[in-house]
Amino acid sequence: QSALTQPRSVSGSPGQSVTISCTGTSSDVGGHNYVSWYQQYPGKAPKLMIYDVTKRPSGVPDRFSGSKSGNTASLTISGLQAEDEADYYCCSYAGSYTWVFGGGTELTVL
Amino acid sequence: EVQLVDSGGGLVQPGGSLRLSCAASGFTFSTYAMHWVRQAPGKGLEYVSAISTNGAGTYYANSVKGRFTISRDNSKNTLYLQMGSLRAEDMAVYYCARYSSSSYDYWGLGTLVTVSS
Repeated sequence: QSALTQPRSVSGSPGQSVTISCTGTSSDVGGHNYVSWYQQYPGKAPKLMIYDVTKRPSGVPDRFSGSKSGNTASLTISGLQAEDEADYYCCSYAGSYTWVFGGGTELTVL
Repeated sequence: EVQLVDSGGGLVQPGGSLRLSCAASGFTFSTYAMHWVRQAPGKGLEYVSAISTNGAGTYYANSVKGRFTISRDNSKNTLYLQMGSLRAEDMAVYYCARYSSSSYDYWGLGTLVTVSS
């Protein structure tokens, strides 16, 4: 199972919006509405930010939103804040009890 | 409060074995599927293994199939990962994670496995 494709890095200024893409195939992202997104600070465990493509867990700011079109899912962060600077990973169910992550995207807040 | 405490990592020689544990608290452990996810140094996250609520269903990434065994003891609220025939590429921080609503909603702090002679 190949990893999902994410941009290595994205950046934005405070207050701006950024979008991180996550491209897979019809076997994973395109075939299931089970895409989730995780935020990870250096040396820390990941934190769930979005699940089931668009749903936000309790406590996650509504500045974070998810979407999907075809084989590509996206995470959008609006009103960028300094604390959003972290690595972000997408994950998708890939069928037959397998799951696949993206390679990760480093978000820099300028 | 949900807590997952992974332990058991350490230094092991290539070809060796190690057993990881994950002690769960703050929720009804027996009603959740559990997974192991790993992260090699400086790399991304990788799904390793999953287990159903009662342990009857176990699943593995191709990279570890036949070498790793996942198990759980619901009476002890503990998840395990028995790792064998370890290779350099298995070196990583291993996280246990609770699987809920098709995502990993809680993660352990991770335990580092170093494979080196």
